[in-house]
Amino acid sequence: AQTVTQSQPEMSVQEAETVTLSCTYDTSESDYYLFWYKQPPSRQMILVIRQEAYKQQNATENRFSVNFQKAAKSFSLKISDSQLGDAAMYFCASSGGSQGNLIFGKGTKLSVKP
Amino acid sequence: DAGVIQSPRHEVTEMGQEVTLRCKPISGHDYLFWYRQTMMRGLELLIYFNNNVPIDDSGMPEDRFSAKMPNASFSTLKIQPSEPRDSAVYFCASSLRRRPYNEQFFGPGTRLTVL
Repeated sequence: AQTVTQSQPEMSVQEAETVTLSCTYDTSESDYYLFWYKQPPSRQMILVIRQEAYKQQNATENRFSVNFQKAAKSFSLKISDSQLGDAAMYFCASSGGSQGNLIFGKGTKLSVKP
Repeated sequence: DAGVIQSPRHEVTEMGQEVTLRCKPISGHDYLFWYRQTMMRGLELLIYFNNNVPIDDSGMPEDRFSAKMPNASFSTLKIQPSEPRDSAVYFCASSLRRRPYNEQFFGPGTRLTVL
C-alpha cells in the first residue's frame, strides 16, 4: 500500500527566512506525481507545487521549490523569503499510476513569526 | 471555470436529523472525492467515484453515511441519522485521469456541526 509520511507536525519560521518541510513516500508505481497542498485558515486546499517522478529537475514555483530525491523517496518543500501569508497547514500527497486517488500525509502546520 | 462547488458552506443540525451535503465537480472531470477533516483524525478519504461509479467506499465510517453520484455534474453525501461525532469539515474534490495524474481540485468545504 502507498504511504506518505510527514514527520514534522509543526514548524516555525521567521518572516523572510527559509524553511523546509519534509515528506517521504512509498509507492510501487513507476509513473507517479507528487504534490504539495496548502491549507490556510480559510480551509481552502490550494495546490502549491507538483513534481513528475520521471523528471529529474526539481520543480519551482516562485518562492516554493522542492528537493525530489527519487531513490530515497523523499519530497521536501522549501519556502524561501517566508511571508506571513505562508502560515498554513501543508499536505504532501502522491498519486499512483493505476489508482485514481491521492495519498495524503497528515500535514505540517507552519507558523510564520513577524 | 467555476471550480468545485459545495453547498451548504455551513450546516448546523441536531442529533438524529438527516444531513445532505452537495457537490458539483469541475466540468469534464471524471473523478470525484469526498473527504472529512477533523482535528483528531486529520484528512480522511471517505469515498471516490470514477465516471459516476463508486470505486472505493472503504473510508465511509458506517452505514449512516451514504454517497451518490447520479450524473457527472452532481454528487451528494448523506448522513442519517447524524451524531455529534460527525461534526467536521467535509470536502469534495474532483480530478481528471490524465497528466498530471490525479491532481485534485478542492471545493471550499462544508462545516458541519451536529448538536
